[in-house]
Amino acid sequence: QVQLQESGPGLVKVSETLSLTCSVSGGSISGYYWGWIRQPPGKELEYIGYVHDTGNTNHFNPSFTSRVTISGDTSRNRFSLRLNSATAADTAVYYCARLDKRGFYDYWGQGTLVTVSS
Amino acid sequence: DIQMTQSPPSLSASVGDRVTITCRASQNINIYLNWYQQKPGKAPKLLIYLTSTLQSGVPSRFSGSGSGTDFTLTISSLQPDDFATYYCQLSYPTHTFGQGTKLEIK
Repeated sequence: QVQLQESGPGLVKVSETLSLTCSVSGGSISGYYWGWIRQPPGKELEYIGYVHDTGNTNHFNPSFTSRVTISGDTSRNRFSLRLNSATAADTAVYYCARLDKRGFYDYWGQGTLVTVSS
Repeated sequence: DIQMTQSPPSLSASVGDRVTITCRASQNINIYLNWYQQKPGKAPKLLIYLTSTLQSGVPSRFSGSGSGTDFTLTISSLQPDDFATYYCQLSYPTHTFGQGTKLEIK
């Protein structure tokens, strides 16, 4: 059974970089796509982007393209999210998930709340 | 950008009811539509992918239909465990989610 676990700072200062890591167990990240989705408190899910294992293939929500990086680390079986120039609007629960090539997310992490504050 | 619009935003129903939730795309998306269930404080759970294929382990009371721009998620007979928020998700060319439909107990 594939399991995902997000980790990273729960508090980020305005204008700094929000960085999260998703560790995958029960399976290899190689050969798969891996994505990030977020959910501001009380709001809907928002797609951020995805990467294919080592990062040679990726796709981002146009709303984030200018300030997002998603990368994979096959040696550590994990992938990461970096969101530059954070603002209060980036406060959300961030989920990592496995993306099936048919376009659906079948395994999810439990989510981690990141608060952006001055 | 393709917009995904769900209706209704919220819905009250009773155990045993048949419930239908709608998702409309702003342009033709063929069958590239998935459905998720989310309970408070939990990650979303995949229910249906590519419009009508039931994910392994999901009860058969859940079904999906549609094509083009109009899609529906139907729960044939509501169970207590089904009260949750439901989201549609575009699967190609991007992964936009709908705004969600909160299903509450009447």
